[in-house]
Amino acid sequence: ELKVEQNPLFLSMQEGKNYTIYCNYSTTSDRLYWYRQDPGKSLESLFVLLSNGAVKQEGRLMASLDTKARLSTLHITAAVHDLSATYFCAAGYTGNQFYFGTGTSLTVIP
Amino acid sequence: DTGVSQDPRHKITKRGQNVTFRCDPISEHNRLYWYRQTLGQGPEFLTYFQNEAQLEKSRLLSDRFSAERPKGSFSTLEIQRTEQGDSAMYLCASSRSRDTQYFGPGTRLTVL
Repeated sequence: ELKVEQNPLFLSMQEGKNYTIYCNYSTTSDRLYWYRQDPGKSLESLFVLLSNGAVKQEGRLMASLDTKARLSTLHITAAVHDLSATYFCAAGYTGNQFYFGTGTSLTVIP
Repeated sequence: DTGVSQDPRHKITKRGQNVTFRCDPISEHNRLYWYRQTLGQGPEFLTYFQNEAQLEKSRLLSDRFSAERPKGSFSTLEIQRTEQGDSAMYLCASSRSRDTQYFGPGTRLTVL
């Protein structure tokens, strides 16, 4: 069964701190996506990771992919309140099916 | 613009009624996806079109669900004989390749 698991599910962190969200997937995937969702809104694409060792950074967010470990991470540096949202990873499998994790709800506290 | 648009944004219906949702993708995107999202969960893949061809269907898509993309542009998702368990946000996304998918605002369905 294809599974994408994220942890933690809920994360409360202080402004200025660093933290990492983990995304594990159960079956070989050829690409990994990260999305952000604000309450009541749709999903916004953050990163697409296409190969083992891929690392992408945008502002205070950095995503990486280890295909051998079937693990992707989303690292948050010096968190600010505007980063409060739910973050989803999704794995692309054979064909064009995509499986999302359950999401990590991030709250950044001043 | 144009991003992905969906209509309606909200739909309230009674159990047993049929509903139809529309998705207009970004114009140059040939790939179109439908997802369902329930509260506190990630989106669940329902189906995928490349141009007008429906190439992937999830086992979640029961025979009460049907999707079309007749001219390879907009798509419709119909749910027949709605059940309370169908209450969810229905999301449409489009892309040019297997890279970034651009999501629409979603249609929130409530089945009473």
